[in-house]
Amino acid sequence: EAGVAQSPRYKIIEKRQSVAFWCNPISGHATLYWYQQILGQGPKLLIQFQNNGVVDDSQLPKDRFSAERLKGVDSTLKIQPAKLEDSAVYLCASSFSVEFGNEQFFGPGTRLTVL
Amino acid sequence: SQQGEEDPQALSIQEGENATMNCSYKTSINNLQWYRQNSGRGLVHLILIRSNEREKHSGRLRVTLDTSKKSSSLLITASRAADTASYFCATAFLGNDYKLSFGAGTTVTVRA
Repeated sequence: EAGVAQSPRYKIIEKRQSVAFWCNPISGHATLYWYQQILGQGPKLLIQFQNNGVVDDSQLPKDRFSAERLKGVDSTLKIQPAKLEDSAVYLCASSFSVEFGNEQFFGPGTRLTVL
Repeated sequence: SQQGEEDPQALSIQEGENATMNCSYKTSINNLQWYRQNSGRGLVHLILIRSNEREKHSGRLRVTLDTSKKSSSLLITASRAADTASYFCATAFLGNDYKLSFGAGTTVTVRA
């Protein structure tokens, strides 16, 4: 079974530029998550989708971050404009069903460096 | 806020030795999960233990859960160089739609 795919793997941008990340979850997984992982910390949930609807975006800085999952499959996360403190690894994860404990499958992540 | 807190922050052991790390959490949970993250990679799910379970095994991994103390431990037996990674505990509860709350992790280094 193919895992969660993410691209790009690495991105370096200047502050105030924009950037977009892409995620393709495991086939059949209805729930998709975006996490931000700052160096030395655990992942922090940014947004959760159930199919193509947003379940929770309470931790998403909506003045600069946006995310969509238009057809209920792949998803994009955008930052515009980027700040220095956005430097982190952005992880996408998916799960089949939260009712069974919500084991999540993670992609390799995108390492963002904002200069 | 991150609910799970791992202890120790870092651990260095010799190959073949056992590694034990602990996780404490603050509120009631439905399950607790352990994940591994190798350098530069995403997280890999290791084991899930439900609130009504006390111990679970998977290969060289042994997880315990003490809900009265709100704590869990992960034991890796007969460690190998490939076990070098960061280990995270994550808690989930029904009232929060099973969203995972991660700790800051324990970094394990296995020396050859």
